[in-house]
Amino acid sequence: QSALTQPASVSGSRGQSITISCTGTNSDVGDNDYVSWYQQHPGKAPKLMIYDVRSRPSGVSNRFSGSKSGNTASLTISGLQAEDEAYYYCSAYTRSTTLWVFGRGTKLTVL
Amino acid sequence: QVQLVQSGAEVKKPGASVKVSCKASGYTFSNYAISWVRQAPGQGLEWMGWISVYNGNTKYAVRVQDRVTMTTDTSTSTAYMELRNLRSDDTAVYYCARDLWELHETPAAFDIWGQGTMVTVSS
Repeated sequence: QSALTQPASVSGSRGQSITISCTGTNSDVGDNDYVSWYQQHPGKAPKLMIYDVRSRPSGVSNRFSGSKSGNTASLTISGLQAEDEAYYYCSAYTRSTTLWVFGRGTKLTVL
Repeated sequence: QVQLVQSGAEVKKPGASVKVSCKASGYTFSNYAISWVRQAPGQGLEWMGWISVYNGNTKYAVRVQDRVTMTTDTSTSTAYMELRNLRSDDTAVYYCARDLWELHETPAAFDIWGQGTMVTVSS
């Protein structure tokens, strides 16, 4: 099972919006709505930011939003803040031999 | 509060085994599945497997399925991940993570994570 495809890095200025894409196949991202996104700061455990494609857990800012079209999911962060600088990983349930797959991660730099 | 607390760092020689524990508190342990995820130094997240605490069902990633065993002890609300025949490329931080949904048949997302356990494999 190959990892989901994400850009290695994205950047944006404070206050701007950025979008991180996550491309899979019709066995994972395109197959179901169990797509989630995680934020990870260096040396810390991942934190759930988006689940079920577009739902936000309690306590996560509404500046974070998710969407999906076909085999590609997206995470949009609006009104970028310094504390958003981190790695972001998408993930999805898959009907392949493995139940779950992560993306390779995207480093977000806030300028 | 809801939390997962993992055991401490380990240093092992190639060929040895390691068993990492993950103690849950603040919720009904048997109602939520646990996944194990690892992260090699400077690398991304790798899902290793999943165990339903409710019925003991497991599913392992192909890459480690011949060497890993995941178990739980409901009397102590603790999940375990044992990895055998360790290799240098098993050096990583190992995380346990709780499924988002209660009594769900498959992983859907992971809302609670342990703090991570560093496992170093070196001769």
